[in-house]
Formats: sequence, C-alpha cells, structure tokens
Amino acid sequence: GEDVEQSLFLSVREGDSSVINCTYTDSSSTYLYWYKQEPGAGLQLLTYIFSNMDMKQDQRLTVLLNKKDKHLSLRIADTQTGDSAIYFCAESRRGSQGNLIFGKGTKLSVKP
Amino acid sequence: DAGVIQSPRHEVTEMGQEVTLRCKPISGHDYLFWYRQTMMRGLELLIYFNNNVPIDDSGMPEDRFSAKMPNASFSTLKIQPSEPRDSAVYFCASSFNLSPLHFGNGTRLTVT
Repeated sequence: GEDVEQSLFLSVREGDSSVINCTYTDSSSTYLYWYKQEPGAGLQLLTYIFSNMDMKQDQRLTVLLNKKDKHLSLRIADTQTGDSAIYFCAESRRGSQGNLIFGKGTKLSVKP
Repeated sequence: DAGVIQSPRHEVTEMGQEVTLRCKPISGHDYLFWYRQTMMRGLELLIYFNNNVPIDDSGMPEDRFSAKMPNASFSTLKIQPSEPRDSAVYFCASSFNLSPLHFGNGTRLTVT
C-alpha cells in the first residue's frame, strides 16, 4: 500500500473543528509534518512533531501522534474559510535525511 | 528572506522542445529538492542534492530529465525532449540539515 495515506476530501462548516487524519507505515520515521497548499501556491509548513512526542499545540492547530498505530492527525479549531486548502501529511525517515514522503493530500472545504 | 525562488512561474512549450526550470534556494540551506506534482500521482520526489552533490536521483523518470546544481544558490531541472506527459507543477524546496522543507511557488509546465 501507500507509504503515507490520507483521505482525499473533508468538508466542514465555518466555526466547527476540522480533523484531518494520516497513517504512515515506516516505524523509523523521525519527524512528521503538516503542510498546507493554497491554489496556485507552493506548500507552506504548518507544523511538525518529533516522533517521540504525542501531542503538539500551536494556536488553533493541534497535532496528535499515535506511534503505536502510526496515526497522525491535525485538528484545526474554529475553522475559517481561509483554511480551505489542501493539507499534506509527510514523514521523514531515519537514514533519508531531509527526504520527505508525502501523502496525496486532503482537500478541506469550509462552508460559510 | 525571499524564500525559495523558482522561475518561470508558467511554461508552455511544444512537444520535443527543451525546457529548463530554475531554482534559487534559501541562502544557507544545504539541501535542495525537486518535486513534481500531478493530480494522478501527487507529489513525487525527483532528485535531491546535499551541498550541491546529487544524493538520490532515483525518482527522475528517465534520461530525458537532468538536474544540476553548479553552486549553492542555483539549480536547474532540464527536460529534453519534453513530452505531453511531463505536464505538471514542478516544485523546488530547500532545507538546512534536518529542518523542515521550504517550498517555492512552483513552475506550472504545459507541454502541448
């Protein structure tokens, strides 16, 4: 199967929380990342977590990591229309320094 | 910092022509990556450099693709001859050591 898997679409209402999920397969992953891509733009780093952590919070963003299940999630609190974008999960692996493996991205649509 | 700069933003060319994509990484970064993004395959790593030396080019599709990094502040990705199936958005990214990747805004290539 894919190295990094994400659901392709998520739709939420403005003001609700969004939860984007990701699973990965390589237990040697060192860092896990969330990137955001807006139309016509490159990928913008949102946040990242080291593999020995289980949670990281940064303003409206909360990252949860379940290393046993190889599951990563990104929660966006109070989702706004400006959060509409594609969100990519990525992992870096020990021995492949700097080389990220990306999921196919989750398109988040925020309805007013 | 201006970030990773790619040029051109858009390139339209005819099948068989040579295409050169350019990238200026962030000053001080020692890793440079070329990715290709398509709807079907998502983000694919083509090649990456460390200190101007190619480390892994296993993602380069075929001999028509070549990449160079003559110095720490410039890299090119060349396709010769180009084919319609090369149409995609090509991203350059750079990083310092194990830090997260910083992406340029990409070059949208259309080969007719």
